[in-house]
Amino acid sequence: DAKTTQPPSMDCAEGRAANLPCNHSTISGNEYVYWYRQIHSQGPQYIIHGLKNNETNEMASLIITEDRKSSTLILPHATLRDTAVYYCIVRSPRESGGGADGLTFGKGTHLIIQP
Amino acid sequence: DGGITQSPKYLFRKEGQNVTLSCEQNLNHDAMYWYRQDPGQGLRLIYYSQIVNDFQKGDIAEGYSVSREKKESFPLTVTSAQKNPTAFYLCASRKGGRDTEAFFGQGTRLTVV
Repeated sequence: DAKTTQPPSMDCAEGRAANLPCNHSTISGNEYVYWYRQIHSQGPQYIIHGLKNNETNEMASLIITEDRKSSTLILPHATLRDTAVYYCIVRSPRESGGGADGLTFGKGTHLIIQP
Repeated sequence: DGGITQSPKYLFRKEGQNVTLSCEQNLNHDAMYWYRQDPGQGLRLIYYSQIVNDFQKGDIAEGYSVSREKKESFPLTVTSAQKNPTAFYLCASRKGGRDTEAFFGQGTRLTVV
């Protein structure tokens, strides 16, 4: 399984861009990078995903390096409601007759937005 | 509205009792998953199912059982064999394919006393 490495915590001032790094140096060529976030005591929420190209949606931007060994999630104008644990995940095929896929969650980065 | 629903949100059980957690989705998703989360930890995969009447063990399946008799439903039973069942349980579903995102329920917090 491709593993990810994230800093355990980060602070960001409200209104600023929050840049969350993720290392995934063992990623395979056909594996996607996904980002989720989890607000305390709730289910994780999907943010964005990508394969090779940079991606942007209404929530965030995802920048993937050319060698695909790392990525950065960017929240362009962080608000207090963006305080959450952010998970960087690489899709991980599992052994089974049907070729199942699973999501392997690490401990993520606890992003704290400061007023 | 389409979504994935877990019930109940909080559940208390006595030690030694089996308990079943409900997970229902109306997203027409093929794949469903159960995760466990302990305080300050990430999510760990218990069981997953890619299709009706089929399911596979995840990383920590011991002491748990599941069924997938209907596409919409994937209940998880925490048996008395699970040594440390108190945790936050999350259910997810996904359409299938490599580039589709998972949708999560709001979780069930199980406390065994």
